[in-house]
Amino acid sequence: EAGVAQSPRYKIIEKRQSVAFWCNPISGHATLYWYQQILGQGPKLLIQFQNNGVVDDSQLPKDRFSAERLKGVDSTLKIQPAKLEDSAVYLCASSLLRNQETQYFGPGTRLLVL
Amino acid sequence: GESVGLHLPTLSVQEGDNSIINCAYSNSASDYFIWYKQESGKGPQFIIDIRSNMDKRQGQRVTVLLNKTVKHLSLQIAATQPGDSAVYFCAERAGSARQLTFGSGTQLTVLP
Repeated sequence: EAGVAQSPRYKIIEKRQSVAFWCNPISGHATLYWYQQILGQGPKLLIQFQNNGVVDDSQLPKDRFSAERLKGVDSTLKIQPAKLEDSAVYLCASSLLRNQETQYFGPGTRLLVL
Repeated sequence: GESVGLHLPTLSVQEGDNSIINCAYSNSASDYFIWYKQESGKGPQFIIDIRSNMDKRQGQRVTVLLNKTVKHLSLQIAATQPGDSAVYFCAERAGSARQLTFGSGTQLTVLP
């Protein structure tokens, strides 16, 4: 079974630029999560989708971050404009609707904002 | 979990010894806990979970202990191997919450 796929794996941008990350969850997983993991810390949930609807985006900085999952499968996370403090690993995870406690994580996208 | 900023707690053990990684949680309403392993450059990987109606659960070479009285969780790894070197995170979820809250992690290094 293929795991959660993410791209790109690495991205370096300058502050005030825009960046987008892509995630393809495990086939059949209705729930998709985006996490931000700052160096030395645990992952922090940014947004959770169930199919193509948002379940929880309470910790998403909506002035600069946006995410979508238009067809209920792939998802993109965008930052516009980026700040220095956005440097982090952005992790995507997915889970079955009937077992949302078991989340499968992708390898993450490492973002460096200069 | 406790926040330690940029400085992860570290644990070094000799290959073959047992490892114990600790985690303190703060939400007394948390009723589900998970341990994840994160190797360098990879996403977190599920190791073992435990619900609050249990105080111990065993897997293959791993045991999780839960002490609700002092809000403490531990992960025991038997006969630690070089492949166990990674950062280990505990995560908790309160019954009414949808999201997992992760601790800051412990860096385990296995010495040859």
